Amino acid sequence: DTEVTQTPKHLVMGMTNKKSLKCEQHMGHRAMYWYKQKAKKPPELMFVYSYEKLSINESVPSRFSPECPNSSLLNLHLHALQPEDSALYLCASSQVALVWRTDSLYSNQPQHFGDGTRLSIL
Amino acid sequence: KNQVEQSPQSLIILEGKNCTLQCNYTVSPFSNLRWYKQDTGRGPVSLTIMTFSENTKSNGRYTATLDADTKQSSLHITASQLSDSASYICVVSGSGGSYIPTFGRGTSLIVHP
Repeated sequence: DTEVTQTPKHLVMGMTNKKSLKCEQHMGHRAMYWYKQKAKKPPELMFVYSYEKLSINESVPSRFSPECPNSSLLNLHLHALQPEDSALYLCASSQVALVWRTDSLYSNQPQHFGDGTRLSIL
Repeated sequence: KNQVEQSPQSLIILEGKNCTLQCNYTVSPFSNLRWYKQDTGRGPVSLTIMTFSENTKSNGRYTATLDADTKQSSLHITASQLSDSASYICVVSGSGGSYIPTFGRGTSLIVHP
C-alpha cells in the first residue's frame, strides 16, 4: 500500500463540470507535488508546495487550481477542462532537506508517489 | 538544457534472467539520481537514490550504479521475476537552484515465463 493516498482513483467528467482531486499523506513531509502523466510518457511536474505555500507553478493553465489546506492535504480543483487534459494525475510528497533561497528549493529526498487519479474528460 | 536519456526503450526477457537498464544525463551541477519502478496504473515507487559520492546502491535484486564523471547510471536486475514487469524511470535532480527533477522517458520491461 502506498503512503500517499489519492482519491478518487478514477474520474470521468464533462468539460463544464467542476471537480476536485484529493491527496493525503501522514509522513510529516512538508513538500507536496502534482504531476500529470500521459500514457507511456514520464510524469510532468505541475505544481510544488513547500510548507503549505505554492513554490512552483510550471505554467499550468488556470483551469487547474491547486490548494494546500494543511501540511497533510493537497487538492487540485478542476474546472472547464479540455479532452487533452485526460491523463493520470499523480501526487507526491517528500521531506524538504533545506531551503536554498527564499524562492527556491533544494531537496535530495526521495519523492513518495500516490497511485494517481485517472481522469477522463468527455 | 537538462536531459535524461534511457535505453533501451523496451526490453523483453525470460523469467530468471538478469538485465541492465541504462540512464545517461546532462543535468549539471548534479545533486542526486533516483530509479523508480512504475507498474501499469500505479504511481512510481522509489528503488534507489544516489548522491555524488555514491557509485553503487542495492535494494534486494536491484543494484544501481553511478558514474558521475561520465554522467551515466545503470540499474541491474538479478534473477528477474514476473512481477518485475514494469516501467523503470530514471530521475535526476540538480542543485544550486530551483528544485525541478528531470525525468527520463523510462524503459518498459516485460518478463516472460
